[in-house]
Amino acid sequence: KNEVEQSPQNLTAQEGEFITINCSYSVGISALHWLQQHPGGGIVSLFMLSSGKKKHGRLIATINIQEKHSSLHITASHPRDSAVYICAAREGSQGNLIFGKGTKLSVKP
Amino acid sequence: DSGVTQTPKHLITATGQRVTLRCSPRSGDLSVYWYQQSLDQGLQFLIQYYNGEERAKGNILERFSAQQFPDLHSELNLSSLELGDSALYFCASSVPLSTGELFFGEGSRLTVL
Repeated sequence: KNEVEQSPQNLTAQEGEFITINCSYSVGISALHWLQQHPGGGIVSLFMLSSGKKKHGRLIATINIQEKHSSLHITASHPRDSAVYICAAREGSQGNLIFGKGTKLSVKP
Repeated sequence: DSGVTQTPKHLITATGQRVTLRCSPRSGDLSVYWYQQSLDQGLQFLIQYYNGEERAKGNILERFSAQQFPDLHSELNLSSLELGDSALYFCASSVPLSTGELFFGEGSRLTVL
């Protein structure tokens, strides 16, 4: 069993839809990261959470430490949101991350 | 642009060879992290350096080594290359004592033939 699991693996949405990607982890963590990987391969850090909720533009990330679960929400999705979204649990040192396998999101116009 | 520079962007080599990947962190970032992304294993943490010293080690093979130089750039050396080493290698850097945000380079794509 992977220590960090994401669902769904693939997601197709119509432009404007509200999207939720889920992440569950089984390890004790000090923080959880959400990353976006573009089709060209580059990775962008979206959020780092240790509790509660964070919002940046149309993106919202939440974490429930007791339930070991985090969600990434995208409101009013747009084709430019098409990417792979990866959650990663941080144990100890800042960059020592355990990665989920990613959710491939495709937003159709 | 994250401010993290990786070279080369693409590299094709043969089994048994040795390559060096280079990473220049963002100005002022003391920590450098290396990650490997392969088709079968996904993303994995390899190693972290902080101000020239090794800080944490992940799933890094003995054939691989890294170092961080006084100017804070880092190099990842991969030797006795095998087909399975073909992957994207990412470097990231972070601000010391920060909230934890990581800034990733564009990656170096290594193909071993």
